[in-house]
Amino acid sequence: SQQGEEDPQALSIQEGENATMNCSYKTSINNLQWYRQNSGRGLVHLILIRSNEREKHSGRLRVTLDTSKKSSSLLITASRAADTASYFCATASYRGNTPLVFGKGTRLSVIA
Amino acid sequence: EPEVTQTPSHQVTQMGQEVILRCVPISNHLYFYWYRQILGQKVEFLVSFYNNEISEKSEIFDDQFSVERPDGSNFTLKIRSTKLEDSAMYFCASSRSTGELFFGEGSRLTVL
Repeated sequence: SQQGEEDPQALSIQEGENATMNCSYKTSINNLQWYRQNSGRGLVHLILIRSNEREKHSGRLRVTLDTSKKSSSLLITASRAADTASYFCATASYRGNTPLVFGKGTRLSVIA
Repeated sequence: EPEVTQTPSHQVTQMGQEVILRCVPISNHLYFYWYRQILGQKVEFLVSFYNNEISEKSEIFDDQFSVERPDGSNFTLKIRSTKLEDSAMYFCASSRSTGELFFGEGSRLTVL
């Protein structure tokens, strides 16, 4: 399985601090994506990083990808209470239209 | 901004009953998916659909499940005879290509 596994399972920080979540996966990928899910809501795409990229930024988000270690990290800088949500990584293989495989997620709580 | 819409938002049914969950994907998207999430757990892939046929399905998607795209806009998931363990949040998603997925807000299914 190429399933991503996030670490830690839960993270609690103060507003203004940075939050780092990690994802590990098992097989070769075409791309890796991060999604956010507010409680009871649908998943929202945050950022996609391709296998030939090492780092990508989007606003307060920074994603890194290390294909040699089969791992990725998501950094949220200057966190806000509104960042409280679950964050999932999802991997896509090279093989045609294979579905995204999601990890179990990291539950982030940002305390005001 | 175009979005994926799902109905109903919540359905309660008796064990053994048939359930149909409906989705309207984003209009110019070509790939369609159903995922499910048991409360507080990971997001699990059920089935993907492309070019009017199933392209991939998981072990969860057994003979009790079926999908249809009856009229070029709707994308439905049918569970023929529901079991208690089918209680979950069911998410529909669509994509233009094999990149970012756009998710609906989900249909919560409760089987009694």
